[in-house]
Amino acid sequence: ETGVTQTPRHLVMGMTNKKSLKCEQHLGHNAMYWYKQSAKKPLELMFVYSLEERVENNSVPSRFSPECPNSSHLFLHLHTLQPEDSALYLCASSPKQEGGYGYTFGSGTRLTVV
Amino acid sequence: QKEVEQDPGPLSVPEGAIVSLNCTYSNSAFQYFMWYRQYSRKGPELLMYTYSSGNKEDGRFTAQVDKSSKYISLFIRDSQPSDSATYLCAMSAGSSASKIIFGSGTRLSIRP
Repeated sequence: ETGVTQTPRHLVMGMTNKKSLKCEQHLGHNAMYWYKQSAKKPLELMFVYSLEERVENNSVPSRFSPECPNSSHLFLHLHTLQPEDSALYLCASSPKQEGGYGYTFGSGTRLTVV
Repeated sequence: QKEVEQDPGPLSVPEGAIVSLNCTYSNSAFQYFMWYRQYSRKGPELLMYTYSSGNKEDGRFTAQVDKSSKYISLFIRDSQPSDSATYLCAMSAGSSASKIIFGSGTRLSIRP
């Protein structure tokens, strides 16, 4: 593992379910991020937290709800998702909020919405 | 036109070959240029980072930035099967996460 741990690794959920993705970092970083990676598409930034405060919300639908209870943990709560939300969801952390040159990514959660 | 264009491949080369991976971009404000490597079922890991123009070398890897042509390259010398992965270019105009733009990735396969 890279120091950023994501659980679960795989998740299949129905459109009416509620589930949560978890991310934990042991690197002492102060910023954490959620990214969405779809096949053959660039990574899409979803949310940015710096010192547990949300600093970016990249026009993400409200069916995705992030939570950052402390600087080591980040959650993504999911409800009433659509099949097009099926993707790899990646968590990343960095020493401070910045533009990508200090990111450590987790291995991701492969989400399938049925 | 996309801000960052990257050929998706797949690119297949024999072991020991020199590999050239490229991205073009349209935003002249980009100053930070990165290459990430992503193995199957893993998250991306930062491989090379360059600020502004010029070359940067790290072992078998060389990153090159040509701002006049809006073109960046990653060269891999003496390629190994363990280099088989998807390579993502990324670039940023500033220090905010919202300003980083990733390419779609090039899938590279090194044949033994």
